Amino acid sequence: NAGVMQNPRHLVRRRGQEARLRCSPMKGHSHVYWYRQLPEEGLKFMVYLQKENIIDESGMPKERFSAEFPKEGPSILRIQQVVRGDSAAYFCASSPATTANEKLFFGSGTQLSVL
Amino acid sequence: GENVEQHPSTLSVQEGDSAVIKCTYSDSASNYFPWYKQELGKGPQLIIDIRSNVGEKKDQRIAVTLNKTAKHFSLHITETQPEDSAVYFCAAITNSGYSTLTFGKGTMLLVSP
Repeated sequence: NAGVMQNPRHLVRRRGQEARLRCSPMKGHSHVYWYRQLPEEGLKFMVYLQKENIIDESGMPKERFSAEFPKEGPSILRIQQVVRGDSAAYFCASSPATTANEKLFFGSGTQLSVL
Repeated sequence: GENVEQHPSTLSVQEGDSAVIKCTYSDSASNYFPWYKQELGKGPQLIIDIRSNVGEKKDQRIAVTLNKTAKHFSLHITETQPEDSAVYFCAAITNSGYSTLTFGKGTMLLVSP
């Protein structure tokens, strides 16, 4: 059973470009979470999604950031018009409905670098 | 919302020593407290968790204790080994509705041979 798959592992963008980060949850998991990690700041919650629904986006900036988890395919975190401050490691996690919000399984992350 | 404080930010021990990492939380309604271990270049992995109806839980060399009155919980690692070197995160959640985990800022544990 494959774990949570994130791609790309590393993404380099110039200021003003768009960044798309993909996350395929573990098989059978219907809940997806995105976290951002900055050095010495721990993991900051961004958004919580179920299939075709955004459950909680309170941690995601209102502008330039969006997330989706379609019926088919991976969850996507999209950052438009990236700025240097968006440089960070972005982690996706998933959980089954039975342990939603508790036992999270994390991917290996996408390191976004904005030049 | 919930706020989780974690100490220390870095911890260096000799192989075989014990390591203790402490966390405090602010929301008295929080009732689930997991610990995650993050190795270099990888995502965090759940290593142990505890619920608010239990004061202590043990799994081989790791244990977690919870003091609900004081709103703090701790991770204890005994007989540390170099492979225990990693960043450890505590977290808390009020498991009602659609709340999500709030993480501490992490502790970098370095175990020297």
